[in-house]
Amino acid sequence: AQKVTQAQTEISVVEKEDVTLDCVYETRDTTYYLFWYKQPPSGELVFLIRRNSFDEQNEISGRYSWNFQKSTSSFNFTITASQVVDSAVYFCALVMNRDDKIIFGKGTRLHILP
Amino acid sequence: EAGVAQSPRYKIIEKRQSVAFWCNPISGHATLYWYQQILGQGPKLLIQFQNNGVVDDSQLPKDRFSAERLKGVDSTLKIQPAKLEDSAVYLCASSPQRGYRSYEQYFGPGTRLTVT
Repeated sequence: AQKVTQAQTEISVVEKEDVTLDCVYETRDTTYYLFWYKQPPSGELVFLIRRNSFDEQNEISGRYSWNFQKSTSSFNFTITASQVVDSAVYFCALVMNRDDKIIFGKGTRLHILP
Repeated sequence: EAGVAQSPRYKIIEKRQSVAFWCNPISGHATLYWYQQILGQGPKLLIQFQNNGVVDDSQLPKDRFSAERLKGVDSTLKIQPAKLEDSAVYLCASSPQRGYRSYEQYFGPGTRLTVT
């Protein structure tokens, strides 16, 4: 069965600290896609990144970085030098190539304290 | 470019009443999605349209939920009759083409439904 687990329900850090959000997924498929979305208080989900299962290169985008490790079925997300505007709920999601269905984790609520 | 529009933003109804939500996707986007997001959980796909045809409605509770996208543009999601467990945020999203693999989705702000 396919599953996405975000074990951290809620995290609070002080501004400028680094923070890592964990995502562990389960699938027997060899071809799949992983996503991260941000949901600010306004409600709409904002796409952050998409990664396919054959590309294990880590990615950096400004203060954001992603660490994809197939060996541990993890796709973790790190925010460096966090800012108050990073406060939001972050969702990890999985899509299998064979059925194109998206499965979201339960999300991690991140509080950045000034 | 205007984003995905949804209305109303909030709705409170009593159980057994009916309710309808409206979504206008980004202009030119062929694919439209409706999601249900219960508090503390990730979004769950209810239905996916490609133009005015249904691609996937396997998780739509068809005994009480219905959706249409008659002209391949805007869409309406209806619940009739509502139950307490339908309390959730209903999110609409659109993308240029079908397929999460290649096309990112753009989400609207959602409609928060409370059933009392």
